[in-house]
Amino acid sequence: AQTVTQSQPEMSVQEAETVTLSCTYDTSESDYYLFWYKQPPSRQMILVIRQEAYKQQNATENRFSVNFQKAAKSFSLKISDSQLGDAAMYFCAYRSQSQFYFGTGTSLTVIP
Amino acid sequence: KAGVTQTPRYLIKTRGQQVTLSCSPISGHRSVSWYQQTPGQGLQFLFEYFSETQRNKGNFPGRFSGRQFSNSRSEMNVSTLELGDSALYLCASREMGLAGDEQYFGPGTRLTVT
Repeated sequence: AQTVTQSQPEMSVQEAETVTLSCTYDTSESDYYLFWYKQPPSRQMILVIRQEAYKQQNATENRFSVNFQKAAKSFSLKISDSQLGDAAMYFCAYRSQSQFYFGTGTSLTVIP
Repeated sequence: KAGVTQTPRYLIKTRGQQVTLSCSPISGHRSVSWYQQTPGQGLQFLFEYFSETQRNKGNFPGRFSGRQFSNSRSEMNVSTLELGDSALYLCASREMGLAGDEQYFGPGTRLTVT
């Protein structure tokens, strides 16, 4: 069965510093996508970054980047130059054609 | 384009009652998925509809059901409510329902069962 594990329920980072959120997943499929979603206190979930499993190159979106280690089934999110607006719950997610699994989330606090 | 909308935003029901939640996807999106979010379990996939057909289903009891209309709007129904059904119910839409499609979430419906 596919599972997504986020082992850090809470993380904090100083403003302007870098933080890495961890995510591991388990799957027997070869074709899938991985996502990081952000859910600010207002509750609207938004996509942060997406990674196709068949691509070796790590995805990057401005200050957000991932470290995708397919063999290790690891998919961490790095946030550089952290800003106050980055404070939110972050969810790692796995999607194949038939299923979509989320991790339990990491609550990120940004300290001014 | 307008985003995904969900109604109502808040709902209080009593055990044993039933409830219907509504979701309007982004215009042009044909796939609608439903999720249950609770503090302990995180987000759990309920089901997905595509072109009025249920395409995928999560591991929830039959009390949870849904449907999609020809205009892609979707409803989710929970019958015989239990206290454990208290949660934030999120709806999300995708354009074609492909695995890599970006998924757009609505603000959610907060259901409280007393």
